[in-house]
Amino acid sequence: AQRVTQPEKLLSVFKGAPVELKCNYSYSGSPELFWYVQYSRQRLQLLLRHISRESIKGFTADLNKGETSFHLKKPFAQEEDSAMYYCALRGGDQAGTALIFGKGTTLSVSS
Amino acid sequence: SAVISQKPSRDICQRGTSLTIQCQVDSQVTMMFWYRQQPGQSLTLIATANQGSEATYESGFVIDKFPISRPNLTFSTLTVSNMSPEDSSIYLCSVGDYYNEQFFGPGTRLTVL
Repeated sequence: AQRVTQPEKLLSVFKGAPVELKCNYSYSGSPELFWYVQYSRQRLQLLLRHISRESIKGFTADLNKGETSFHLKKPFAQEEDSAMYYCALRGGDQAGTALIFGKGTTLSVSS
Repeated sequence: SAVISQKPSRDICQRGTSLTIQCQVDSQVTMMFWYRQQPGQSLTLIATANQGSEATYESGFVIDKFPISRPNLTFSTLTVSNMSPEDSSIYLCSVGDYYNEQFFGPGTRLTVL
């Protein structure tokens, strides 16, 4: 079965500290992984996807198939990074199907 | 990218009534999805609504409770029927290209008394 696990419900860090939001997945085939972010009072939006291998707003995420993980990292957190972050999965052979989401992690960055 | 609007943005309804949520997209899209986000929970897929075919419902969701229409490539509706307080949730419309990301609407916050 397809499943996305985000073990931390809340992550609190100080401004300038490194951030790592954990995401583990369960999928037997080749997955597509995404990170979505929801800022306060805004809609859910894509932050990054593993196939594009981009760095968005200083965030990066590497797909580790051996550990079935797709952790989101940023070396220096900013207060504006405070938001809800969702990891999502779609089977690589399931183009056209909906994403499966983890339960989300709230990131709180304080000064 | 696609710009999605939903109506209503929020509503408070009485038990036993029904509410229809509209989703409008600014471009033609093949795939449209409806999600539910209950308080403190993640997004749960209700159904996939592709134009020209019947909606496909996920386990735990049935057409009688959540009828969906998809009359064209830019519009869909989700009805929450015979509501109970357990249906209080945020309902999200989402669209996606075949190989690309999904875009989300702003959501409809439903409270059932």
